[in-house]
Amino acid sequence: RKEVEQDPGPFNVPEGATVAFNCTYSNSASQSFFWYRQDCRKEPKLLMSVYSSGNEDGRFTAQLNRASQYISLLIRDSKLSDSATYLCVVNWDNTDKLIFGTGTRLQVFP
Amino acid sequence: DVKVTQSSRYLVKRTGEKVFLECVQDMDHENMFWYRQDPGLGLRLIYFSYDVKMKEKGDIPEGYSVSREKKERFSLILESASTNQTSMYLCASGQAREKLFFGSGTQLSVL
Repeated sequence: RKEVEQDPGPFNVPEGATVAFNCTYSNSASQSFFWYRQDCRKEPKLLMSVYSSGNEDGRFTAQLNRASQYISLLIRDSKLSDSATYLCVVNWDNTDKLIFGTGTRLQVFP
Repeated sequence: DVKVTQSSRYLVKRTGEKVFLECVQDMDHENMFWYRQDPGLGLRLIYFSYDVKMKEKGDIPEGYSVSREKKERFSLILESASTNQTSMYLCASGQAREKLFFGSGTQLSVL
């Protein structure tokens, strides 16, 4: 089993749609979780951290399910500018080693 | 603003050459990382360092070594470059398990 797994997509959605991505992780000792966004030919940038109780930032909501070992990202009211690759990041085995998923590509169309 | 600077944006080397990729951060971060990114494989961790002169292997350390003589600088070394090391190399820094700041990447081509 891969350390961090994501559906590569692409997810093609119209503007205004709600879209959700999941990411599963294999190490139950992981404590830190993040979603990053990467635009084409650019470096990844932090979108949001994921907290145990779930957290929201505008149109974006992140959830953590420790029992099933996955995190999710929900994007409401999609904008064209949301088109990007979304990367799930997890720390490994209670260390500072940060492992990336392969990313989920989102394409929002008019 | 945090700045992570990678020495080259594009690099072309020949098979067998020794290659140095340099990364400098200006935020006094403890941790620094080297990843490579390939289509369909995402970012894979090569090495990371949690303090000066301290390093740990990531998932794909073979063919690479690293050096961290000063806190702000983390170098990735390809002892003898091979064509399968053609890739985008990304350096990142951060505090313990907090968000990472990335450099803009070095696209390395080994011919």
